[in-house]
Amino acid sequence: QVQLVESGGGVVQPGRSLRLSCAASGFTFSSYGMHWVRQAPGKGLEWVTVIWYDGSNKYYADSVKGRFTISRDNSKNTLYLQMNSLRAEDTAVYYCARDLGIAVAGRGWFDPWGQGTLVTVSS
Amino acid sequence: EIVLTQSPATLSLSPGERATLSCRASQSVSRYLAWYQQKPGQAPRLLIYDASNRATGIPARFSGSGSGTDFTLTISSLEPEDFAVYYCQQRSNWPPYTFGQGTKLEIK
Repeated sequence: QVQLVESGGGVVQPGRSLRLSCAASGFTFSSYGMHWVRQAPGKGLEWVTVIWYDGSNKYYADSVKGRFTISRDNSKNTLYLQMNSLRAEDTAVYYCARDLGIAVAGRGWFDPWGQGTLVTVSS
Repeated sequence: EIVLTQSPATLSLSPGERATLSCRASQSVSRYLAWYQQKPGQAPRLLIYDASNRATGIPARFSGSGSGTDFTLTISSLEPEDFAVYYCQQRSNWPPYTFGQGTKLEIK
C-alpha cells in the first residue's frame, strides 16, 4: 500500500540546521509531485513547499523562502527538506504529502500524508 | 494570497445529526477546493477535492458543494468517528496553497 514515512525531526537551537527525510513506498515515486506541509502545536495547517515529479520545479511559502530547500532522490524513493537558519516559529510537525494524481488535475491536492515528524526549535 | 475562512470555529452536534461546515474564499477559487479531516495525533486525510469529488474510500455520507467563493462540507448523518477537525484548502491561485483555520466538530 502507499506509504510515506518521515524522519529527521528533533530539537535544534535557533539558527541551526536540520534535514528531514520522507521515504516513499507502494507507488511510482518518480511520477508524483511531493509537498511538505507543517502544523505548529495546536495550530492549523501551513503548506511549506512543493517539488515537481522530476525535480524540475520547486516552490516555497514566503515564510521559508531562502532558508528551506526541497529536493528528491527518485532512485531512493526519498524526499528531503533541508532547513537552515531555523527560528522558533518553525517549530511544528512536518508532514510530507503526495499529489493526488500525476496529471495536472491531480496536482495540488494532498493524498496521502505521512505520519509527521516533530521539529522543535529552542535554545 | 487567497485567504480561506471557515465557520463555525466549533460545531457541537450529536451522532446521527447532519453537519454543515462552511468555507469562504477571499476571491474566487472556481471549484478548486478540497476538504481534509484530522483526528487528534493523526495526519490529515483528504475527503473531498474539486469541491465535490469524494476521495477514494470516503463514505457517501460526506459530500461537498459550492463554487467561486462559498463552499460547504456536509456530513449527512454523523458517526462517532466523524468527530474531528476539518480543514478546507485551495489550489486555484498558488503558491502558496492555503488552508482555512479549521472547524472542530465535537460531540454534544
